[in-house]
Amino acid sequence: KAGVTQTPRYLIKTRGQQVTLSCSPISGHRSVSWYQQTPGQGLQFLFEYFSETQRNKGNFPGRFSGRQFSNSRSEMNVSTLELGDSALYLCASSWTGSAQYFGPGTRLTVT
Amino acid sequence: SQQGEEDPQALSIQEGENATMNCSYKTSINNLQWYRQNSGRGLVHLILIRSNEREKHSGRLRVTLDTSKKSSSLLITASRAADTASYFCATLQETSGSRLTFGEGTQLTVNP
Repeated sequence: KAGVTQTPRYLIKTRGQQVTLSCSPISGHRSVSWYQQTPGQGLQFLFEYFSETQRNKGNFPGRFSGRQFSNSRSEMNVSTLELGDSALYLCASSWTGSAQYFGPGTRLTVT
Repeated sequence: SQQGEEDPQALSIQEGENATMNCSYKTSINNLQWYRQNSGRGLVHLILIRSNEREKHSGRLRVTLDTSKKSSSLLITASRAADTASYFCATLQETSGSRLTFGEGTQLTVNP
């Protein structure tokens, strides 16, 4: 089975812009979760989607949003980018309650 | 915010030695998972231990779970230079769907 894929792998944006990141889960996995990793805050949960519905949401501002499509692929969007949004964004897919499999991440740099 | 803490924050050993990392957490859990991350890349799933299990093995990895103390440990035996990475524990609470809460990680360096 192919693993979790994320695109793009690297991204440089300017403050105030918006960005969309994409994640394709392992075939058959219906749960997709997103995490933000920064040196200061570590790994923090953004949100989880299951069968096109947001099932869980972390403590992030409304500028962070996501969605899931009928084929389980997911996108996350960050609007009005801030310098502090620079991070590695990781996507993971799983069966509910089981091991999660992570993609390689998207490295976002906001200048 | 992080669910728990990992100890030590950094560990440096020689090839062939064993490495032990500890993780503590705060709330009751469904399971606990260990992950490895190389140089800011994606996380690799190592092992999952359920709340009703006490010990689990996978190759050179041994994980223990003590739910009364809310703690877990990861033992890597006969370490190799390729084991150099950051190791994270992550807990899944019973009512959190697939939401994982991560510890701060242990940076393991294995010197050849």
